[in-house]
Amino acid sequence: DQQVKQNSPSLSVQEGRISILNCDYTNSMFDYFLWYKKYPAEGPTFLISISSIKDKNEDGRFTVFLNKSAKHLSLHIVPSQPGDSAVYFCAAVHGSSNTGKLIFGQGTTLQVKP
Amino acid sequence: GAVVSQHPSWVICKSGTSVKIECRSLDFQATTMFWYRQFPKQSLMLMATSNEGSKATYEQGVEKDKFLINHASLTLSTLTVTSAHPEDSSFYICSAGTGVNTEAFFGQGTRLTVV
Repeated sequence: DQQVKQNSPSLSVQEGRISILNCDYTNSMFDYFLWYKKYPAEGPTFLISISSIKDKNEDGRFTVFLNKSAKHLSLHIVPSQPGDSAVYFCAAVHGSSNTGKLIFGQGTTLQVKP
Repeated sequence: GAVVSQHPSWVICKSGTSVKIECRSLDFQATTMFWYRQFPKQSLMLMATSNEGSKATYEQGVEKDKFLINHASLTLSTLTVTSAHPEDSSFYICSAGTGVNTEAFFGQGTRLTVV
C-alpha cells in the first residue's frame, strides 16, 4: 500500500525554467510533509517542508504547495539549475508518529539541461 | 542542520557472514533513529525504528532476527545484517530526528554488496 506516491519517475527541464514535482498521498492523518534531494550512493538531503496548517512555504528558489482537499503537494524550483539534477523524494509524517519517521514516495529524477 | 554520520559508506562481504553498520548523531542526542533500505531506482523503505534503551520496532515483513538493531546510547544505533545473502545487497540509510521539529537528518548511507 503506497501511501505517498510520486507518479512521475522522471522530469526534464531546461535551465532557467520552472521545475514542478508532484506528490500525492492517501492517508489523511499525515500532517507534515517534506521534500528531500538525493544523489546516488548518498543519503537524502532535506530541502523544504510544510505543515498541514499551511498551503505554501517558500525558501529561496524552492516553494512547496499543499492542497489538503486534494491530498496533493508540489515542489516548485525556479529558476532551475543544472546542479538541481538529482532524485527528489517527498515524504510524509503521521501526526502521532515519532519525530523523524517518514513515509517516502518513489522519487522523481529531475534532469536540468544547460 | 544536525549531523548524522553513518559508517561504513560501502562494504563487500561474503555470503553467510554478518555485517555491522553504525549510525551516529554527532551534535545532538537521538532517542529514536530509523533504518531505511533502498533498492535501485526505488523508494526508501522504512525497516525499523530504533529506540534507545529498548527493543527496536520493525515494519511488517522485516525479519528482526536477520536485521539486528541495537541502540545502546543516545548517539549510536547499529544495524547488523546477519548471515548475509546476495538478496540483502542494497543501500541502507539511517536517520534521526532532533525532537525539535519533524525534520529528519540522514546519514550518508551504506552500500552493502554480498557476494
